[in-house]
Amino acid sequence: ETGVTQSPTHLIKTRGQQVTLRCSSQSGHNTVSWYQQALGQGPQFIFQYYREEENGRGNFPPRFSGLQFPNYSSELNVNALELDDSALYLCASSAGTSANEQFFGPGTRLTVL
Amino acid sequence: DQQVKQNSPSLSVQEGRISILNCDYTNSMFDYFLWYKKYPAEGPTFLISISSIKDKNEDGRFTVFLNKSAKHLSLHIVPSQPGDSAVYFCAANYGGATNKLIFGTGTLLAVQP
Repeated sequence: ETGVTQSPTHLIKTRGQQVTLRCSSQSGHNTVSWYQQALGQGPQFIFQYYREEENGRGNFPPRFSGLQFPNYSSELNVNALELDDSALYLCASSAGTSANEQFFGPGTRLTVL
Repeated sequence: DQQVKQNSPSLSVQEGRISILNCDYTNSMFDYFLWYKKYPAEGPTFLISISSIKDKNEDGRFTVFLNKSAKHLSLHIVPSQPGDSAVYFCAANYGGATNKLIFGTGTLLAVQP
């Protein structure tokens, strides 16, 4: 069974740029959620994707957007990067939207200069 | 507004003794609670969970207790091992169409040999 994978591992961008982060869900999981973890904080829910549609969103501006593909993999896109976007971005997959347990990937560390 | 709180940023315990990690929540609509363990440079790893209809759940050395009237849960690790040293996050969700997790800020557990 393959776990959740994310790419890239680390990324450095400058303010105003755009970034795309990628996630492959655990085999058999059709739901992907994205979280942002700032330094010293717990992960914060960005949004969730199920059946290629956004299925719930946290308190993040529209410049945070996503996609889910037919193979359940997902992308997180952030436009007009700000310094405060520097964080660890975590992807989690689950077996459906009602499944309580979510399984996380290793994360992508984004630094905005 | 922090709906899930872990008021102890850190905890140090001797190997072989009990580790008790605490978590408080404010939202009475939460119906499922989870504990995750996180090592540096890795994503959170699911550890144990409990439904709001139960007051205790055990899995090997790990036991989670839920006190709904006090809106409090705790994770007991017995006996503690040096490999348990990590950041522990408490998380909650209230089901519905999106199983988004609300995380606490984490407790750093150090188990001394």
